[in-house]
Parts: sequence; C-alpha cells; structure tokens
Amino acid sequence: GDSVTQMEGPVTLSEEAFLTINCTYTATGYPSLFWYVQYPGEGLQLLLKATKADDKGSNKGFEATYRKETTSFHLEKGSVQVSDSAVYFCALSGQRNTPLVFGKGTRLSVIA
Amino acid sequence: EAGVAQSPRYKIIEKRQSVAFWCNPISGHATLYWYQQILGQGPKLLIQFQNNGVVDDSQLPKDRFSAERLKGVDSTLKIQPAKLEDSAVYLCASRGGGGNTGELFFGEGSRLTVL
Repeated sequence: GDSVTQMEGPVTLSEEAFLTINCTYTATGYPSLFWYVQYPGEGLQLLLKATKADDKGSNKGFEATYRKETTSFHLEKGSVQVSDSAVYFCALSGQRNTPLVFGKGTRLSVIA
Repeated sequence: EAGVAQSPRYKIIEKRQSVAFWCNPISGHATLYWYQQILGQGPKLLIQFQNNGVVDDSQLPKDRFSAERLKGVDSTLKIQPAKLEDSAVYLCASRGGGGNTGELFFGEGSRLTVL
C-alpha cells in the first residue's frame, strides 16, 4: 500500500540555519503530496502541497519539490526562526478523495 | 469560516470504561475522517465518511471502536471497552472536495489517556 518515510527527529538547529527534512514515498498512480505542521498545543495545518511531478509547493519560506524520479518531497527552508519549532509531517493522497497517509513526523527545535 | 470542532479536548478514563468523542466538520464538507495519533507517530486513519456513508473503515478495530455520522454532518467516535493502548490523540478532519489534491482541515484533537 501507499506509504511515506521521513527522516527521524528530533532536529535541533540554530536560528538562521538551513533546514532540510527528507521525505520519500511509495504509491501507485499519481499521488498528491503534502507537508503538514503541528505547532505546540495546536492542530495539524497544511504548510504546502504539490499535486503533480516537478511542482514546487511553497509557503512561509518553506519549499518542497515533487520529484517523481526519486519519489521524494523534501522540505527546505533557507533560514529558520524560533517560531518554526514544531512537528512536520509529510503526507500523500493516492487516488481521488482517498485519505492522507502520513509519515511519522519530524520534530524541529530552533534555538536562538 | 469556522474550523473543525472537536470535544472533549481531554479525557482520562480507566481501562474497560467507555468514551465518546464528537466532531463537527467545516460546513458543507462532505468527507469526514477520524485519525488516531499515538505519541511519537503520525496520524493513522480509523474511518472515512462520505456524507453519512462509510467509505473506508478497514483499519477501525471494530470489536471496540464504532463511529457514526447519521445526518451527514457531525460525527461521533466511541470506544468501548477502552484498552491501555488506546491512549492517543483522536483527530477529526474534513475535506470539501478537490479529489486527492484537496486540503484536509483538522480539528485540535481529543487527547485520551487510559489508566
């Protein structure tokens, strides 16, 4: 079945450091790919998405490119802030109106 | 626009007791999901509704879990009897459309502790 694998955390970075969180997937057909973020004490919220190969999703300085050849959707940000501290989940939706399949999440802590 | 509402936010029960969680999705959203999120893991789908019909309940432990969405709007998830391993956050999400490109909107979750 469909699955998502993302890098283990926690990840601790200093403010203004470069961030990469790796995500790879296994799916049949042409999935849509998502990054969700969960800030402390809050619910999951969509960070960005890409719905076809070579699409780049971006939001709040974060970017991820849908790479079909490597089945990857790595999350990047050039300069992290303390307010980016959260848990990040990579997810995919395989077919029409199917539910999201999530990775295990990566906890990011950014220190000043 | 109001978001997905869930209650209660927190619940502590003894094993073998029962518990129910309620979810009200975003108005007009036909698809509703219940996910279970165990500490340190990603959310896992329990059940998906389309209007008031079940689309996928293959991962719902039906010997103890049940869910309904009688009028195609709000939904209730019940656990009876609870086990220690049911301690988790139960997330409700809804989706308005867009096929597999559409965003899921999540509630804040109901955190269950089974003692």
